[in-house]
Amino acid sequence: GNSVTQMEGPVTLSEEAFLTINCTYTATGYPSLFWYVQYPGEGLQLLLKATKADDKGSNKGFEATYRKETTSFHLEKGSVQVSDSAVYFCALSESASKIIFGSGTRLSIRP
Amino acid sequence: NAGVTQTPKFRVLKTGQSMTLLCAQDMNHEYMYWYRQDPGMGLRLIHYSVGEGTTAKGEVPDGYNVSRLKKQNFLLGLESAAPSQTSVYFCASSQALRVQETQYFGPGTRLLVL
Repeated sequence: GNSVTQMEGPVTLSEEAFLTINCTYTATGYPSLFWYVQYPGEGLQLLLKATKADDKGSNKGFEATYRKETTSFHLEKGSVQVSDSAVYFCALSESASKIIFGSGTRLSIRP
Repeated sequence: NAGVTQTPKFRVLKTGQSMTLLCAQDMNHEYMYWYRQDPGMGLRLIHYSVGEGTTAKGEVPDGYNVSRLKKQNFLLGLESAAPSQTSVYFCASSQALRVQETQYFGPGTRLLVL
């Protein structure tokens, strides 16, 4: 079946470092891809999404490109801040009623 | 505009007890979902609803029941709680039932079953 695999955490970086969180997927058809973020004590919220191959989603300095040839949707940010500390979930939508989430990557940013 | 709210925030149950988790949304969304989040497993869909009066099973429905009597509310019931149901439960809603649709999540309910 369809699945999402993302790099295990925790990931710890210093402020202003470059961030990459890897995400790969297996899917039949043409899923939409998402990154959701969960800040401490809160629910998930959409960070960015891409609905077709080669689309780039971006928000708050984060970017991810839908790569069908490598079945990847890696999350990147050029300069992280302490406020980016959170758990990040890669996800794919294979049907209108079903989203498959990765296991989450905890990111901690040191001042 | 509160978005999606969940009640209670935290609950401790003994094995065999029952309880109901309440989810409410004020965005007039048609579709609502219940997930559970377990360490290292991401979120898994328990049940969902495509409109008032409708419910459908998700990936892990066993041991749970749901009801959608009003469009803005989605209730998740545990009739006889088991330790395996210790988890964090998230409710979500969306405006439409499309592959690319964004889901909006509540803050979660942490449940501990002893």
